[in-house]
Amino acid sequence: DQQVKQNSPSLSVQEGRISILNCDYTNSMFDYFLWYKKYPAEGPTFLISISSIKDKNEDGRFTVFLNKSAKHLSLHIVPSQPGDSAVYFCAASETQKLVFGQGTRLTINP
Amino acid sequence: DTEVTQTPKHLVMGMTNKKSLKCEQHMGHRAMYWYKQKAKKPPELMFVYSYEKLSINESVPSRFSPECPNSSLLNLHLHALQPEDSALYLCASSQHGTGGEKLFFGSGTQLSVL
Repeated sequence: DQQVKQNSPSLSVQEGRISILNCDYTNSMFDYFLWYKKYPAEGPTFLISISSIKDKNEDGRFTVFLNKSAKHLSLHIVPSQPGDSAVYFCAASETQKLVFGQGTRLTINP
Repeated sequence: DTEVTQTPKHLVMGMTNKKSLKCEQHMGHRAMYWYKQKAKKPPELMFVYSYEKLSINESVPSRFSPECPNSSLLNLHLHALQPEDSALYLCASSQHGTGGEKLFFGSGTQLSVL
């Protein structure tokens, strides 16, 4: 049973526009949510996180929104840049365990 | 130094071989992790060491044996693996091993079992 789901395997966005990546979860015990970015042949790199007691966290071009009632979070990237092309993983934390979603491949087109 | 270094980068082994994967970090982190990632799947947690003690084993088969000789080093000993164990093995570390911490990942060891 997948506790963290990213239903869009891929997303294509034009450079300069907003990229919105979505994630749903089922376990209400998750206390933190994190986004990681992964390039080929590299390990995932931390991007941004949000505590379950907040509904928004912003860091430069990246903003994460959390809707606890809907068990849904999203990552907004604006403006999107070619270097943002990568696989993005949503992850949820319960104590020491980090559970990853399936990932969304984001492609930024010039 | 914000790096987690994993060696080797690639490993091919037969089902009767014994090999070890190594992971090292010098960030002073006290929690270290092994994850397994199959192609087009998310990383899956295998083991967590917190302050050099094994704190989580996600029901991993005994043919995988983790070892944490000190707070900077993490090994994964492999013995009698099966072809379905072929995957990318990722090591990660974090400051204390508490919830919500940023994990720093290595680039992984791509393992092929023949």
